[in-house]
Amino acid sequence: KQEVTQIPAALSVPEGENLVLNCSFTDSAIYNLQWFRQDPGKGLTSLLLIQSSQREQTSGRLNASLDKSSGRSTLYIAASQPGDSATYLCAVTATYKYIFGTGTRLKVLA
Amino acid sequence: EAGVTQFPSHSVIEKGQTVTLRCDPISGHDNLYWYRRVMGKEIKFLLHFVKESKQDESGMPNNRFLAERTGGTYSTLKVQPAELEDSGVYFCASSLTGADTQYFGPGTRLTVL
Repeated sequence: KQEVTQIPAALSVPEGENLVLNCSFTDSAIYNLQWFRQDPGKGLTSLLLIQSSQREQTSGRLNASLDKSSGRSTLYIAASQPGDSATYLCAVTATYKYIFGTGTRLKVLA
Repeated sequence: EAGVTQFPSHSVIEKGQTVTLRCDPISGHDNLYWYRRVMGKEIKFLLHFVKESKQDESGMPNNRFLAERTGGTYSTLKVQPAELEDSGVYFCASSLTGADTQYFGPGTRLTVL
């Protein structure tokens, strides 16, 4: 049974710091891994999608890597800003079902 | 193009009452999914429709939950009777095919008192 774990559960950093969010999964047989952002009271916004054949994806200040064999992914946020404050979720898919982690709650202090 | 929409955004009901949540997928998306997040836990899959057919309802917690998608357009999720443990955020998502990226709606926050 696939399980997804995210560490840390919460993170508070001063503005401008580079930071890394971690996601691990127990079954390496995945189609893709996706990172989402959720703002309070809002839905899920897709940030980056990494297909199983890829190693990383980049979008602006965000970079996500995938090491399928070790069951790990990291989301790197460069030069963090207060607007980055949100809950970050990773999810893996092996079929049509998304299996989510519990998320990392990020607060970037001005 | 409109995204996935859900109604209501928030519902507060008493234990034993009935609530119906609605999801309108992105136009043309045959695949529709329901997920939910209960307090402190991860978002979990409930079920998957392809057009009007239920493909997988393995995540439905019990028979108090009934999902429908008549005509293969919008979907409803009815909880009857609601229990305290049903409180949480219910998300709907849609995709063009089962292998495509799913687009999530804003969720319905259900509070059962």
